[in-house]
Amino acid sequence: GESVGLHLPTLSVQEGDNSIINCAYSNSASDYFIWYKQESGKGPQFIIDIRSNMDKRQGQRVTVLLNKTVKHLSLQIAATQPGDSAVYFCAEKGTNAGKSTFGDGTTLTVKP
Amino acid sequence: GAVVSQHPSRVICKSGTSVKIECRSLDFQATTMFWYRQFPKKSLMLMATSNEGSKATYEQGVEKDKFLINHASLTLSTLTVTSAHPEDSSFYICSPLLRETQYFGPGTRLLVL
Repeated sequence: GESVGLHLPTLSVQEGDNSIINCAYSNSASDYFIWYKQESGKGPQFIIDIRSNMDKRQGQRVTVLLNKTVKHLSLQIAATQPGDSAVYFCAEKGTNAGKSTFGDGTTLTVKP
Repeated sequence: GAVVSQHPSRVICKSGTSVKIECRSLDFQATTMFWYRQFPKKSLMLMATSNEGSKATYEQGVEKDKFLINHASLTLSTLTVTSAHPEDSSFYICSPLLRETQYFGPGTRLLVL
């Protein structure tokens, strides 16, 4: 079956540094990926998405890179701030029924 | 826009009782609703997909008679955990779909004693 997974369950960075969170997927037919941020006790919050016809997409302080050859995507957060501390999930969104399949999540901790 | 609410935000109940969780899309209509559950420090696991006016489709391993889903209107879906047991304690999150984009509710923390 399909799976979406993250490389590291936890990541600790110093405030102001850049953060990189990685994710691997297994379904080569996947064509749409989303990164979510989930703060403690809250629902997931959309950060950025990317379609398979792109290999890079930038938002405000965030960049998503997609490498379809090795089925890997990453989320880069520039100048990480304490408010970025949360659990980050990558998700693969199927074309059928529109639902997202979530990876395991990486807990990002930003040290002041 | 695209505001989703859930009620209650947290609930504690005794084993054997039933608990109803409401999910509302406040400023949009959603034909499709997804329900997820999340265990501590774990990912979101899809439980079921419902379409307004029709029966929900449950994921493998999810008991449809235990987790009753009603999607009676385009702005309200409910999840009822029937005869709850401690192992049902979890964080339940609804996710209405609007034009291929999923929005997420704030979640309901259920603790069954």
